[in-house]
Amino acid sequence: LAKTTQPISMDSYEGQEVNITCSHNNIATNDYITWYQQFPSQGPRFIIQGYKTKVTNEVASLFIPADRKSSTLSLPRVSLSDTAVYYCLVGSKAAGNKLTFGGGTRVLVKP
Amino acid sequence: EAQVTQNPRYLITVTGKKLTVTCSQNMNHEYMSWYRQDPGLGLRQIYYSMNVEVTDKGDVPEGYKVSRKEKRNFPLILESPSPNQTSLYFCASSDRGRGSTEAFFGQGTRLTVV
Repeated sequence: LAKTTQPISMDSYEGQEVNITCSHNNIATNDYITWYQQFPSQGPRFIIQGYKTKVTNEVASLFIPADRKSSTLSLPRVSLSDTAVYYCLVGSKAAGNKLTFGGGTRVLVKP
Repeated sequence: EAQVTQNPRYLITVTGKKLTVTCSQNMNHEYMSWYRQDPGLGLRQIYYSMNVEVTDKGDVPEGYKVSRKEKRNFPLILESPSPNQTSLYFCASSDRGRGSTEAFFGQGTRLTVV
């Protein structure tokens, strides 16, 4: 499984857009990029998954450049309730539940 | 409602007293796994199961056992708990057949071993 590197923490304000970049230089051809959100003392929650270019859902957007060595999770117009730890994971769909979590990025949204 | 249910949510026990944390999912998922989360160490996989009667070690399996006799259940067994197993535990399930990397996590079990 490819190793990922992401910032330890980020601060933002309500209503702003938050962009978290994750580096995964050793990503394999059949690897997907997945992001999870975790609130204190709760289990991680799937946010979004992508392979290349751009993926958007009702919660976030995921931007993946052509070389796929990095990806950026974009949270539009954050609110206080978006304060959480965000994890970037890289792995193949065949890996199933073999998820390897890194340290994550602690996002603090201020009023 | 699709969910992964762990019990108990909180448990305080003494060293050496066998305990079982249950995990059940209602999504007919093939994959299930257990993680522990510790401050500064993040989430680490303990054991995982790819289907009934198929289990394998994760990154930190020492001191734990699992079984998968039914598709929906994946209990975590601590035969002789020790204080270094004090942690927050999460069970997760996913559907490999759906071709997704999405896993569903339970609400967690906070275990304290004294």
